[in-house]
Amino acid sequence: DAGVIQSPRHEVTEMGQEVTLRCKPISGHNSLFWYRQTMMRGLELLIYFNNNVPIDDSGMPEDRFSAKMPNASFSTLKIQPSEPRDSAVYFCASSLWDLRDYEQYFGPGTRLTVT
Amino acid sequence: GNSVTQMEGPVTLSEEAFLTINCTYTATGYPSLFWYVQYPGEGLQLLLKATKADDKGSNKGFEATYRKETTSFHLEKGSVQVSDSAVYFCALSVAGSARQLTFGSGTQLTVLP
Repeated sequence: DAGVIQSPRHEVTEMGQEVTLRCKPISGHNSLFWYRQTMMRGLELLIYFNNNVPIDDSGMPEDRFSAKMPNASFSTLKIQPSEPRDSAVYFCASSLWDLRDYEQYFGPGTRLTVT
Repeated sequence: GNSVTQMEGPVTLSEEAFLTINCTYTATGYPSLFWYVQYPGEGLQLLLKATKADDKGSNKGFEATYRKETTSFHLEKGSVQVSDSAVYFCALSVAGSARQLTFGSGTQLTVLP
């Protein structure tokens, strides 16, 4: 199993540009989570999906952020326009949610730098 | 609401020293408790978990016991190695639509040879 795959691993962009982060969850998993990690705020849950449907996006910082999951194998997190304060490591995680097992498997993350 | 409080780091130990990282929690409902580890440049990995009171989770020499009476889940290891250097996160999950994880702030551990 390849695990959760994220791309790109590193992204450097200028303020105002659109940024798209991509995630491929583990095959068969039905829940997907997007997190942001910064020194100041730690690990924050941005949004999560169950069976491709967004369940809770209350952690999305503002309207500049959007996330989609068009199918069970792919999700995107988009920032438009990007700002320097969006610089962080963004993690995607997936899990097979049922009553017994709910371990989240994390991808390696995308380090975003907005200049 | 749900929250996790971890002992602040960084923690620096010599190889073979005893490790304790404190973790306490508040939760609405009956939580499951986790320790995740993040090695440099990588995502988080589940280290161990416990799903009910008095359960002990263990893995790679690490242990933590779910103490409901003190709402704690302290991480311990009897003899740390340089390879244990990482950031450790305590987390909880309460039954719900997707069992969201609530993380503590993380504790950086450095083990010196």
